[in-house]
Amino acid sequence: ILNVEQSPQSLHVQEGDSTNFTCSFPSSNFYALHWYRWETAKSPEALFVMTLNGDEKKKGRISATLNTKEGYSYLYIKGSQPEDSATYLCASPDSNYQLIWGAGTKLIIKP
Amino acid sequence: SQTIHQWPATLVQPVGSPLSLECTVEGTSNPNLYWYRQAAGRGLQLLFYSVGIGQISSEVPQNLSASRPQDRQFILSSKKLLLSDSGFYLCAWSVPGSINEQFFGPGTRLTVL
Repeated sequence: ILNVEQSPQSLHVQEGDSTNFTCSFPSSNFYALHWYRWETAKSPEALFVMTLNGDEKKKGRISATLNTKEGYSYLYIKGSQPEDSATYLCASPDSNYQLIWGAGTKLIIKP
Repeated sequence: SQTIHQWPATLVQPVGSPLSLECTVEGTSNPNLYWYRQAAGRGLQLLFYSVGIGQISSEVPQNLSASRPQDRQFILSSKKLLLSDSGFYLCAWSVPGSINEQFFGPGTRLTVL
């Protein structure tokens, strides 16, 4: 059974600081790694989909890297802003292409 | 373009009452459809998914059920709600047989009193 894990569970960051958190997944039978941003009382919104080892994607101040050989992905936020406060979810498809979700990292930006 | 609708947006129901939440997708054919729940203080839990009309897979045993009467319609139901059914319910769709992302509806906030 594919197991996707995220750490830390929650994170408090001062406004203006940069931060990062981790998603780990089995390195065998890898298909893709998804990152989502989920604000309270809203729907999860896709940030990145990565498939190749060494992939690096960027959207504004947010970027992500992928290491499929060792089974991890990092999400980086540069110069955190209050609007970055959200839960960040990662997910990876199993052999049936069903997404297996991590429990998320809850990011709180302190003004 | 594809859109996904959910209703109602919020719902307050007494314990023991029935439930019906509806989700419809436009602009795509034969999507995979999903029902998720977020209970208070917890993460995203997959409840049901469907790869076609009348095909439902249940991930978590509970007093909820799902049906897919039409290609782009997915319904979440219960005959008798429990307090523990309170939460935020999300419907999502994806392109079948691909690694592409899932697209989520606006969600339904259910409170069972």
